[in-house]
Amino acid sequence: GAVVSQHPSRVICKSGTSVKIECRSLDFQATTMFWYRQFPKQSLMLMATSNEGSKATYEQGVEKDKFLINHASLTLSTLTVTSAHPEDSSFYICSARDTGQGNGQPQHFGDGTRLSIL
Amino acid sequence: AQRVTQPEKLLSVFKGAPVELKCNYSYSGSPELFWYVQYSRQRLQLLLRHISRESIKGFTADLNKGETSFHLKKPFAQEEDSAMYYCALFSPMNYGGSQGNLIFGKGTKLSVKP
Repeated sequence: GAVVSQHPSRVICKSGTSVKIECRSLDFQATTMFWYRQFPKQSLMLMATSNEGSKATYEQGVEKDKFLINHASLTLSTLTVTSAHPEDSSFYICSARDTGQGNGQPQHFGDGTRLSIL
Repeated sequence: AQRVTQPEKLLSVFKGAPVELKCNYSYSGSPELFWYVQYSRQRLQLLLRHISRESIKGFTADLNKGETSFHLKKPFAQEEDSAMYYCALFSPMNYGGSQGNLIFGKGTKLSVKP
């Protein structure tokens, strides 16, 4: 089945560091990928929609200068948390849908990245 | 507004008992609904979707447009069913389009006791 690979799985770093998270679709192409944030014991909140070859679409309240998204190819999207601070500590999950399959296809999720800012 | 509501944060049942995880949605068009499951320390994975009308691991879900519900059911719960369950609604960017994103409910934690 379709697999989404997310790397790294865990990051611990000092405040002020920029952190890059990669999301790859391994056996399908994804024009669109999604970045979610999940707080403890809460649901997934969509942060932004990453579009291959164009700018990402950010949800209301998400700082685009803080969370940089690059979707350079049909199989890779990256999320960079710039100058991370403790309040950015969270679980970040990427997702992709096989856009070659048409409407109603499910989204496939990565394992997530646990980001801890000291 | 498009919204998915899962009223129960936690549902605890004994092994062999029937299970129903509730999901209600708010959507003006024809909805596309999914159930995702997240087992402990694993990624979120698709359990089933309403358009395929399938049964996965004994779970079924029927779309009831009159009640705007998509409840997940299983007649006999097993311990390995213990997990977080999320109901999700596909929200297209444009009417009838294939581009869009999932709107998730807050999730229900199912605990099946021996």
